[in-house]
Amino acid sequence: DTAVSQTPKYLVTQMGNDKSIKCEQNLGHDTMYWYKQDSKKFLKIMFSYNNKELIINETVPNRFSPKSPDKAHLNLHINSLELGDSAVYFCASSPGQRISGNTIYFGEGSWLTVV
Amino acid sequence: SQQGEEDPQALSIQEGENATMNCSYKTSINNLQWYRQNSGRGLVHLILIRSNEREKHSGRLRVTLDTSKKSSSLLITASRAADTASYFCATDGNDYKLSFGAGTTVTVRA
Repeated sequence: DTAVSQTPKYLVTQMGNDKSIKCEQNLGHDTMYWYKQDSKKFLKIMFSYNNKELIINETVPNRFSPKSPDKAHLNLHINSLELGDSAVYFCASSPGQRISGNTIYFGEGSWLTVV
Repeated sequence: SQQGEEDPQALSIQEGENATMNCSYKTSINNLQWYRQNSGRGLVHLILIRSNEREKHSGRLRVTLDTSKKSSSLLITASRAADTASYFCATDGNDYKLSFGAGTTVTVRA
């Protein structure tokens, strides 16, 4: 029954590795997001997709590549992981194309630790 | 730069007391929302207030918005241990994204 589900929940990996985080939503929403939360709980948007189309790319290094095979899925692939990539990554979704007046539904987060 | 900034960063209160936290933002907005994040979990929406509204209530929550001061406050009345969490404000001046602050961490002591 989970509305926005993301896997894995925990990921520990070495510098230089490539890893992916998967996300699926069963709410029928048109827009999906990736947010990054750092150790100070600062939450910053990375990407948003509407019906598989990239809407927002917030100056994220091109080592981060989102992929949306359909509007219910938005995966995040990260190449050549760096120590500074350690954070919690949240997938989220919202109805419609515009956020104005809409609520965002968040997944439970994926804790990435790069060693 | 971050749109919303919450104040205080942390708040510790006794069960039954009220908790008040503030949010300031920089640019004009359409709406302002408040979210809660329990430890180790995702954010959950609490309440949305539109730019033409001044106050809104939902259960034990009361939100105010002062667009002239670019600020909002969230009041939790009669706090409970289960209210222990981080609280974030989020603004949507841009049509396509919500901008969050770094949150206020609230600890309710039994």
